[in-house]
Amino acid sequence: GAVVSQHPSRVICKSGTSVKIECRSLDFQATTMFWYRQFPKQSLMLMATSNEGSKATYEQGVEKDKFLINHASLTLSTLTVTSAHPEDSSFYICSARDPAGQGAVIEQYFGPGTRLTVT
Amino acid sequence: AQSVTQPDIHITVSEGASLELRCNYSYGATPYLFWYVQSPGQGLQLLLKYFSGDTLVQGIKGFEAEFKRSQSSFNLRKPSVHWSDAAEYFCAVGGSGTYKYIFGTGTRLKVLA
Repeated sequence: GAVVSQHPSRVICKSGTSVKIECRSLDFQATTMFWYRQFPKQSLMLMATSNEGSKATYEQGVEKDKFLINHASLTLSTLTVTSAHPEDSSFYICSARDPAGQGAVIEQYFGPGTRLTVT
Repeated sequence: AQSVTQPDIHITVSEGASLELRCNYSYGATPYLFWYVQSPGQGLQLLLKYFSGDTLVQGIKGFEAEFKRSQSSFNLRKPSVHWSDAAEYFCAVGGSGTYKYIFGTGTRLKVLA
């Protein structure tokens, strides 16, 4: 149980275009999802917290107009990187919290990640 | 300030040797602690977690960790390392307030044959 998927696993896009990454909770309803960014050989940095049916809460320094997050249903959150540039190339990981799970207090379940390369 | 420190950026051990990866945290509320492993290009795999109760926690792949409140530590141990354990290891802390995780900077483990 508590499986989170991401699509696509890898994406290459041209500079100036937009790309959408999907995060799905497959066997539970996630009221809260999180988006992280990981640069090569570095740790995960939280970008934003996504709550179903409301606006995402962005961490300090994250451009909300560049990284659009939508959490329209209890099983799907999307991250859209708008007008992507090479510096946006990174590994993006989502996670989801299962409010009904055994670790409901705090535990997040992580997706496998999406490798974005902007050329 | 809330933070997680993994003092060792790189660790190299011989296969069959014991392993201890250090994690220290600073957290104002009751901490919930996690260890994750990440292979190159892959996502995170949960090794173990501590919420409450017994301070010695058993995880997958033969790993264990001990929560020491007095030292604000949650060190990861394995008695005998296998070559397949070579990966990046992350310690994380969270709390019931915002549900956010704070990750350490990671420790890269290299295993010598």
